[in-house]
Amino acid sequence: KAGVTQTPRYLIKTRGQQVTLSCSPISGHRSVSWYQQTPGQGLQFLFEYFSETQRNKGNFPGRFSGRQFSNSRSEMNVSTLELGDSALYLCASSLGNDRYEQYFGPGTRLTVT
Amino acid sequence: AQTVTQSQPEMSVQEAETVTLSCTYDTSESNYYLFWYKQPPSRQMILVIRQEAYKQQNATENRFSVNFQKAAKSFSLKISDSQLGDTAMYFCAFMKGETSGSRLTFGEGTQLTVNP
Repeated sequence: KAGVTQTPRYLIKTRGQQVTLSCSPISGHRSVSWYQQTPGQGLQFLFEYFSETQRNKGNFPGRFSGRQFSNSRSEMNVSTLELGDSALYLCASSLGNDRYEQYFGPGTRLTVT
Repeated sequence: AQTVTQSQPEMSVQEAETVTLSCTYDTSESNYYLFWYKQPPSRQMILVIRQEAYKQQNATENRFSVNFQKAAKSFSLKISDSQLGDTAMYFCAFMKGETSGSRLTFGEGTQLTVNP
C-alpha cells in the first residue's frame, strides 16, 4: 500500500505571496492532519480534516487554511507569506475512527525569501 | 492543555548497546495515547511504537520497548542492540482519546547518535 505523499517537496516563495501544499493520504485513511516543523518552535499542529470537515485546529493565524476533498486528499494554503513561515510542513494520515496511529508523509520544505 | 517534555536534547550510544530515552507528559485526561516517532536525516517521520494509556502492559516492537509509568506520567523508550540506522531525532508524542480526533502534541526531541 502506498504511503502518504506530499507535493511539492520543495518550494521557494517571496514574502506576500500565497502557497498551496497538497497531501494524498494512505488509501482508506479518512483523517489528514498538518504540522509545521521549525528549529525554534518544534513540531506544531495546524489542523485536522476528517470526512471533508475540519475536526481540530491549532493555534495558527487565519492565513493558514486547509480543506479536504471527497477522496480524502487535502490541501493547505498559506496566504500573505511571512519569513517566519519558512518550515517543513508535514502531513499525516490515519483511519480516523478507532485506529488512531498517524503515518507521515515526507514533508514539503517551504522557504520564504 | 497537554505538554510533553524530553529533557535529553542529545544522546549517544555504541552500536549493539542499549539506550533509554526519557519523556514526561502532563495531562488531566484519563483516555489518551502515547507514541515515539523517529525522524532520520531524510526528515521522514516514522512511527516506532505506541502505548494506550488504559493498558498496563508496556508495548514492545522488536528491539524497541517502552516503560510506561502512568502515575508518574513517564514514558521512556528503550532501544536494545542499537544499530547505526537508529541514528535519528526521536520525538515523544501525546494524543487525547480518539473521540477528540487526531492531534499529536510533540516533545522537543532527542537526537540519538549510534556510534560504530
